[in-house]
Amino acid sequence: AQTVTQSQPEMSVQEAETVTLSCTYDTSESDYYLFWYKQPPSRQMILVIRQEAYKQQNATENRFSVNFQKAAKSFSLKISDSQLGDAAMYFCARGGSNYKLTFGKGTLLTVNP
Amino acid sequence: GAGVSQSPSNKVTEKGKDVELRCDPISGHTALYWYRQSLGQGLEFLIYFQGNSAPDKSGLPSDRFSAERTGGSVSTLTIQRTQQEDSAVYLCASSLGPRQDKETQYFGPGTRLLVL
Repeated sequence: AQTVTQSQPEMSVQEAETVTLSCTYDTSESDYYLFWYKQPPSRQMILVIRQEAYKQQNATENRFSVNFQKAAKSFSLKISDSQLGDAAMYFCARGGSNYKLTFGKGTLLTVNP
Repeated sequence: GAGVSQSPSNKVTEKGKDVELRCDPISGHTALYWYRQSLGQGLEFLIYFQGNSAPDKSGLPSDRFSAERTGGSVSTLTIQRTQQEDSAVYLCASSLGPRQDKETQYFGPGTRLLVL
């Protein structure tokens, strides 16, 4: 099975600090996509950031950036200047030619004031 | 524009009853997906619709589960003879498709199903 692994069930960060969430994945495809989604208590899955595997440049979206290491099959999410509103469950997901998303188990992020 | 909508938001039912969950995708999105989110299994793919093509039902856990998509837009997920293990949050997502079916999937708020 082609899996996505998030090794940190829970993480915490102080407001305004930086935190990195880890994700590794397995795939036999050369063309695939990686995503980080955020799920607050409202249940709504919100796209945080997307990375195309063929792009060498790491994706960034404001305070969110990724460290994509294709050879290592690693895709970590860095949140800078953490805010209280960043508190949520974060899911790493991989999409490929079969269009289905495979999700990790999630990392629960707590932001302390 | 409007995002993916799902109804009902919450559903409580008795074991053995049938339930229908509805999803309205983003206008113009031809691809529609159903996922199930449960404590024990995490997020699991259930079914995928692309335009008028035959759906990919490979993720449906049993023949009690079925889904249809009418007019290439609204989709209904039906669970017959519900069991307690069906209790979960059912998430619907849509994306542009078909050439862009690797593109981002946008999710609805989900339906939380509780089977007593």
